[in-house]
Amino acid sequence: KAGVTQTPRYLIKTRGQQVTLSCSPISGHRSVSWYQQTPGQGLQFLFEYFSETQRNKGNFPGRFSGRQFSNSRSEMNVSTLELGDSALYLCASSLSGTRRYEQYFGPGTRLTVT
Amino acid sequence: AQKITQTQPGMFVQEKEAVTLDCTYDTSDQSYGLFWYKQPSSGEMIFLIYQGSYDEQNATEGRYSLNFQKARKSANLVISASQLGDSAMYFCAMREQRTGGTSYGKLTFGQGTILTVHP
Repeated sequence: KAGVTQTPRYLIKTRGQQVTLSCSPISGHRSVSWYQQTPGQGLQFLFEYFSETQRNKGNFPGRFSGRQFSNSRSEMNVSTLELGDSALYLCASSLSGTRRYEQYFGPGTRLTVT
Repeated sequence: AQKITQTQPGMFVQEKEAVTLDCTYDTSDQSYGLFWYKQPSSGEMIFLIYQGSYDEQNATEGRYSLNFQKARKSANLVISASQLGDSAMYFCAMREQRTGGTSYGKLTFGQGTILTVHP
């Protein structure tokens, strides 16, 4: 079974621009979560989507948004990019209904804002 | 609020020896899940092992075992017979489990421990 895929893998943007990252979960997984990883703040939860609905949200400004489609694929968007948004963005999918509900991560998108 | 603490920024171990990576947590929830992930230099997070707060037995997955001490709020990862491929960053994480048994997909991570395995 194919794993979680994320596109693009690398991205360079300029301050003030916006960016959209894409995540395709493991087949059959309906939950998709997004995380931001930086050297200073570590891994921080952005949001989780389940059945096209945002179920949980972390402490990030409104510039960070996301959505999920009917096929469970998810996108996250960052508007008005700032230098501090440079990070590895990780997407994870989960199979709902299991006790463990472990998350399987994609390879990440490395965003550099100049 | 939940908090995960990993006090070892870096650890070294000789190949074929065992190593313990420390993790303590803080939560007011009675029901929660604890996870360990491995992150090689490629960046992808790899799920290793899970322990539920009500599990009476320590979890084991191959060479990985979790030393769960609920009263001390610790969930240390033990890697037996270390291999060169085990060199990576290791993260301890926690997930709250909402009432009614629904487990939502929000993980709180520790700062990580870099493990280096020497030949």
